[in-house]
Amino acid sequence: EVQLVQSGAEVKKPGESLKISCKGSGYSFSSYWVAWVRQMPGKGLEWMGIIYPGDSDTRYSPSFQGQVTISADKSISTAYLQWSSLKTSDTAMYYCARHMSSSTSSFVDYWGQGTLVTVSS
Amino acid sequence: DIQMTQSPSSVSTSVGDRVTITCRASQGISSWLAWYQQKPGKAPKLLISAASSLQSGVPSRFSGSGSGTDFTLTISSLQPEDFATYYCQQANSFPPTFGGGTKVEIK
Repeated sequence: EVQLVQSGAEVKKPGESLKISCKGSGYSFSSYWVAWVRQMPGKGLEWMGIIYPGDSDTRYSPSFQGQVTISADKSISTAYLQWSSLKTSDTAMYYCARHMSSSTSSFVDYWGQGTLVTVSS
Repeated sequence: DIQMTQSPSSVSTSVGDRVTITCRASQGISSWLAWYQQKPGKAPKLLISAASSLQSGVPSRFSGSGSGTDFTLTISSLQPEDFATYYCQQANSFPPTFGGGTKVEIK
């Protein structure tokens, strides 16, 4: 069974750093792109970027380029999303999800449960 | 980026009704369109890929159609478990982009 299990909810202050994780199982983690998707409170879905764990090829949506860093460790089947200096506007639910195909543009067929990040002073 | 526009943004309807949601792309995307369902507090779920391909396990009352710039998601007879928010997403070019969502509510 394909599963993506994300790390737990976080409460941080503005300016702090954060790294959240997404562990894949039940499939060849290295062979599928993993996407990160943001959902701000009460809002829609936004594609942040993707990583191919096999070679760590990473692409960012222009809106998120320079704002976050996506990485992966294929040895432990885990992808990461990190911030060096959080803002209150980073408060959101963050989902990881698996691409259906080898394309950088794809549909996603499996989703993590989401990680709620709250940034407040 | 390709802009995806969904309509309506919300619809109030009853069990057994037929519901149609539309999604328009700002430029042609062939059939590179998916539909997702999201219930409160849950991750989205893929319903339809490639505009009309129903995912395994998704009830046949869901159907998708369209190509180019105009697409529809139809629920033929709404069931209580279908009350949710629905999103379209294009996968024609990077970055993939979502529509703003359509909330299907109980009348």
